[in-house]
Amino acid sequence: DTAVSQTPKYLVTQMGNDKSIKCEQNLGHDTMYWYKQDSKKFLKIMFSYNNKELIINETVPNRFSPKSPDKAHLNLHINSLELGDSAVYFCASSQAVGSSYEQYFGPGTRLTVT
Amino acid sequence: SQQGEEDPQALSIQEGENATMNCSYKTSINNLQWYRQNSGRGLVHLILIRSNEREKHSGRLRVTLDTSKKSSSLLITASRAADTASYFCATGGFSPFSGGYNKLIFGAGTRLAVHP
Repeated sequence: DTAVSQTPKYLVTQMGNDKSIKCEQNLGHDTMYWYKQDSKKFLKIMFSYNNKELIINETVPNRFSPKSPDKAHLNLHINSLELGDSAVYFCASSQAVGSSYEQYFGPGTRLTVT
Repeated sequence: SQQGEEDPQALSIQEGENATMNCSYKTSINNLQWYRQNSGRGLVHLILIRSNEREKHSGRLRVTLDTSKKSSSLLITASRAADTASYFCATGGFSPFSGGYNKLIFGAGTRLAVHP
């Protein structure tokens, strides 16, 4: 049973396009996250939702729009893709909000913008 | 920045040897977590150590925490080729964009290569 799943695993697209990444967790967790991992392996939080409510919104361009239809799902839509958006995007979940909880990560979506 | 920094950036050892990775951070913490990332995969939680703990064990893993020096170390004993991965420490921190909620801040990781 996959705990945190993401689709697609790979995404290759051209500049200016709009794309979405989907994430689902079957752990019954309340909190979900989107992270971006750059080519130097730095992992940086982008957004976090708790029970469908946005609680963390880092300094991310507003071309990125998360959406949580229910607490098991967190999607990420990206408008007008740019070369600098190329990275691996990870979805994660935790039992509750806060850094005291371990986070469970999905397998990642490698986005390549050409 | 409160970001954890791992040291060394890369480590290459032979199977059976011990591997030690260090993490330093800048502000007070409630706890510190270590994660492993295999190539092309997501991160996997290894261990969480609280600020009032000095050492914690899990199988072949030993984590220490020195809050006075703001540092932690991860020791993998009797390493195996399957331990080849990147290892990240993560600390809790606030940001103006997190509405007062704690978020995990990750470093760039230590890339460990264990050769058979």
